[in-house]
Amino acid sequence: QVQLVESGGDVVQPGRSLRLSCAASGFTFSNNAMHWVRQAPGKGLEWVAVISYDGSNKYYADSVKGRFTVSRDNSKNTLYLQMNSLRPEDTAVYYCARDRGRITAAGLDYWGQGSLVTVSS
Amino acid sequence: DIQMTQSPSSLSASVGDRVTITCRASQGISNYLAWFQQKPGKAPKSLIYAASSLQSGVPSKFSGSGSGTDFTLTISSLQPEDFATYYCQQYKSYPLTFGGGTKVEIK
Repeated sequence: QVQLVESGGDVVQPGRSLRLSCAASGFTFSNNAMHWVRQAPGKGLEWVAVISYDGSNKYYADSVKGRFTVSRDNSKNTLYLQMNSLRPEDTAVYYCARDRGRITAAGLDYWGQGSLVTVSS
Repeated sequence: DIQMTQSPSSLSASVGDRVTITCRASQGISNYLAWFQQKPGKAPKSLIYAASSLQSGVPSKFSGSGSGTDFTLTISSLQPEDFATYYCQQYKSYPLTFGGGTKVEIK
């Protein structure tokens, strides 16, 4: 069965960096685009970034553009989110999610359990 | 960016009730619309994609309809396990955007 397991969440100071990982199993990872979605405490869902099946196409939310970088290693079945210049408003649970498609969005079908990032001094 | 507006933001219903949640897009998105269920402390779960297609394993009491700008999610007979927050999401174009959520509570 499809499994997505995030890791790397932590408490960090504003301005610092953090990298999240999402380990995938139960499907052919290199066949699907992958997303990051976040949820601030008590708030709704906010889409963050997407990467195509081969890593050649990436899109970002304006709120993270220039600070966050999504990448993937298909040989390791792992998705990453490098977060730089973190701000208090980046505090959230970060979910990775699989897209049904390879390049253009076809809908998110499976989600990880989430990883909490807290940005605070 | 495409704005997604859900209504109501919350509702109270009884077990066995038929519940309808609406979602409106700020511009036409054809049928590029998904619905998710989220319970407290848990990850979202896919219910519906392509506006009306049921995700594998999701019970048929959930149904979706609509096209263009107006969409609905219907739960035919509300059960205790259905009390949760429901989100719509458009995937017609980036950035992907979610509705604000509808919290379904027990009356």
